[in-house]
Amino acid sequence: ILNVEQSPQSLHVQEGDSTNFTCSFPSSNFYALHWYRWETAKSPEALFVMTLNGDEKKKGRISATLNTKEGYSYLYIKGSQPEDSATYLCAFITGSARQLTFGSGTQLTVLP
Amino acid sequence: NAGVTQTPKFRVLKTGQSMTLLCAQDMNHEYMYWYRQDPGMGLRLIHYSVGEGTTAKGEVPDGYNVSRLKKQNFLLGLESAAPSQTSVYFCASSYYPLAEDGELFFGEGSRLTVL
Repeated sequence: ILNVEQSPQSLHVQEGDSTNFTCSFPSSNFYALHWYRWETAKSPEALFVMTLNGDEKKKGRISATLNTKEGYSYLYIKGSQPEDSATYLCAFITGSARQLTFGSGTQLTVLP
Repeated sequence: NAGVTQTPKFRVLKTGQSMTLLCAQDMNHEYMYWYRQDPGMGLRLIHYSVGEGTTAKGEVPDGYNVSRLKKQNFLLGLESAAPSQTSVYFCASSYYPLAEDGELFFGEGSRLTVL
């Protein structure tokens, strides 16, 4: 089983602060990396699907970068708002099965 | 559109009982998946389907069976429930393969407790 590591496990930031999290994954035989946002009592929702080394994606105040050679992705949130409070999941695809392996997530709490 | 709908949302079983979780999607997605979520762990793939009439094992398939008789439905069965199967189960679907820009659309989850 290939592991994906997310750090930190949880963090609290003040409203208006910018923050970032890390997703580390095995760099060999890479196909894709996904980021999902999971709000309490809701279903996970896709943020980004990234397939190319050096890829950068942006959605509003949230952006992500991908380095497949060294096996990491960063998720950035600029000017955090209370509604950004959620667990952020990353998942990668490698190998012949081509299915997602999920990390355990980073739980973000934005304090007003 | 309802998206991905799971029934039931909650269920309590006794050890040895059987049950079926139903997942229905109205987005004409080819690919469907069942995951389980346990505290402190990432979502783990139980079984998946790449099209009507097909199923395949994921990371943790033991103790579960699945069927995809219709494109829009993916059923997860527990033949003889065990306490280790206490978990939150998520169904998901995707239009494209996950390795080719496909993204998952999740249901709201089904919380199963096995006593």
